[in-house]
Amino acid sequence: TQLLEQSPQFLSIQEGENLTVYCNSSSVFSSLQWYRQEPGEGPVLLVTVVTGGEVKKLKRLTFQFGDARKDSSLHITAAQPGDTGLYLCAGGGGATNKLIFGTGTLLAVQP
Amino acid sequence: GAVVSQHPSWVICKSGTSVKIECRSLDFQATTMFWYRQFPKQSLMLMATSNEGSKATYEQGVEKDKFLINHASLTLSTLTVTSAHPEDSSFYICSASPDEAGGWNEQFFGPGTRLTVL
Repeated sequence: TQLLEQSPQFLSIQEGENLTVYCNSSSVFSSLQWYRQEPGEGPVLLVTVVTGGEVKKLKRLTFQFGDARKDSSLHITAAQPGDTGLYLCAGGGGATNKLIFGTGTLLAVQP
Repeated sequence: GAVVSQHPSWVICKSGTSVKIECRSLDFQATTMFWYRQFPKQSLMLMATSNEGSKATYEQGVEKDKFLINHASLTLSTLTVTSAHPEDSSFYICSASPDEAGGWNEQFFGPGTRLTVL
């Protein structure tokens, strides 16, 4: 069974701090996506990474796909209250088009 | 682009009744849609893969006779919770994978439906 473990599970920080969320697996994925979800809403796709070692930047967010395509990280610089939400990584690559979702990281940024 | 809608956004029903939730891809075609269930502050749990023109594929432990899925067109999938009970109360989310997505398994999510069974 493919599993994606995220750490930390919960994170509460002050506005302006930096943070990193990790997404780890023993399985190889063809692609890995990061989503952000706010309470009562569906997840919103932030980025898709597909190449081992790939780094993508989205404003203050930096995403990295591990060289072996088994892990990924999300780094947020100078966090803002608007970054608050549930961050989910999801791995894909099977013939079924299914995504395997990570365990989630709940981030709270205090003003 | 890549907008997915769900209807209703919330529903309250009595135990024993059936509830239908619709998932539509508004600006793209999706041969494949997915239905997830989510408990508070937890990740998404895949219930089933909905395939246009064929039977849905259910994940292990999900009762196909209780959660009926119909994918009648390339833009619409429905989930019917039959004989709902309080333990079925949850947040149900659908997603759609654009047919032209390029193979990277990208899914776009609806806003979710909050089901409360009394």
